[in-house]
This record gives sequence, C-alpha cells and structure tokens, in this order.
Amino acid sequence: EPEVTQTPSHQVTQMGQEVILRCVPISNHLYFYWYRQILGQKVEFLVSFYNNEISEKSEIFDDQFSVERPDGSNFTLKIRSTKLEDSAMYFCASQDSGLYQPQHFGDGTRLSIL
Amino acid sequence: QQQVKQSPQSLIVQKGGISIINCAYENTAFDYFPWYQQFPGKGPALLIAIRPDVSEKKEGRFTISFNKSAKQFSLHIMDSQPGDSATYFCAARGSGGYQKVTFGTGTKLQVIP
Repeated sequence: EPEVTQTPSHQVTQMGQEVILRCVPISNHLYFYWYRQILGQKVEFLVSFYNNEISEKSEIFDDQFSVERPDGSNFTLKIRSTKLEDSAMYFCASQDSGLYQPQHFGDGTRLSIL
Repeated sequence: QQQVKQSPQSLIVQKGGISIINCAYENTAFDYFPWYQQFPGKGPALLIAIRPDVSEKKEGRFTISFNKSAKQFSLHIMDSQPGDSATYFCAARGSGGYQKVTFGTGTKLQVIP
C-alpha cells in the first residue's frame, strides 16, 4: 500500500539553526499538509498546500516557517531559526482529490532543539 | 469553535471487553469525522471514518456511532485485544474535502490480558 515517507526520523539541531524536514507524499495525491505533535499532546495543524501555494496556515505557522514542493515528489518544511519550543514530532500528510478522501500520515520526524 | 473534545483521556479494558471513546464538537461546518490510531513512534493511521448523513458505520470490530443533533460521535471497539493498545484520536474536517483535520486530545487505550 502506498505510504507517506518522511526523513529524517530524528533531527537534533542547535537553537537558532535552520532545519529542513522532508516528505515524499503518496504519488498522485494533490493536497499536502504539515502537522505537529508536542510530546503527550494532540496533533495540531500547521499548513496545507495545493497547486504550489499555501491554502491555509495556523497561528503556529509564523514567518519562521516555510513550505516548498521543489520537485514532483518532495514536500518540505523549513524552520529558519529554531526555538526550543519547536521541539515536537512533525507529521506530513497527503490526500487524494475527491470528497471524503482521508488524509494519510507519515511516521513523522522527531525534532529536538538543544 | 474549532475544538473537538474527547474523553476519556485513558482507558483500561480487559481482553474481550468493549472499549468506548466519546467525542463532541461544536462547529456545524464539520462534515467528515475520521478516527486515527497511533502507536508509539508512528504517525496517526486512519482507522475508520464517517459522514454526518450516516448514524453508524461498522468495519470489523470497530464501530462509529454518530449523533448529528447532539454533535457527538463515539468509537466502539468490540472484543478488544492487546494489539489494540494504542492512542486513539477522534477528528473532524470542514466541508470542501480538503480542509485541515482538527484532532481531539487523544485516548490512551490499554487492553490487558
């Protein structure tokens, strides 16, 4: 079964450094999302992306965050200057077109900011 | 109001018993209600989902009951097994099909032998 793949599985970064999290969505899916989950808390929406532009973003997704689909297969989340509070699991999701299609999630990248 | 409220926070069930997790929402624009199962170190995996024009959906041992007037929905796991031990999230999505998913706070289920 097709799946969303994310790399790396764990990223350790010094505070203030830039980090790029990578995702390969399910091929032929057109809608892409990033969510995050702080340890022990619920999954929170960050941003949705369609047709090479952001469709919606949350309050969390400030100017330090950006997303890109650099080619036909990858979808990336960049954090420009990481903060301690950015430590979380980051999940990528993709969705096929059509009503009532589910979002499929990857296994996430654990981001640890030191 | 975008929240989805979920209870209980944790649940311990004997093997073979019924696990019940309840959720409530306020936003009447939600029109798709998925349940996700998450194992430690893994991403949320779709378990079962329901649309508000259906009052119940069953897939194997998993059943969603949906009460549109009360804005409540629940997950029933029949004949619970130790392998069902995981965190379960109810969720909701707005109309249009491509909206963000709003997650509940999660229920940590432990099924003991």
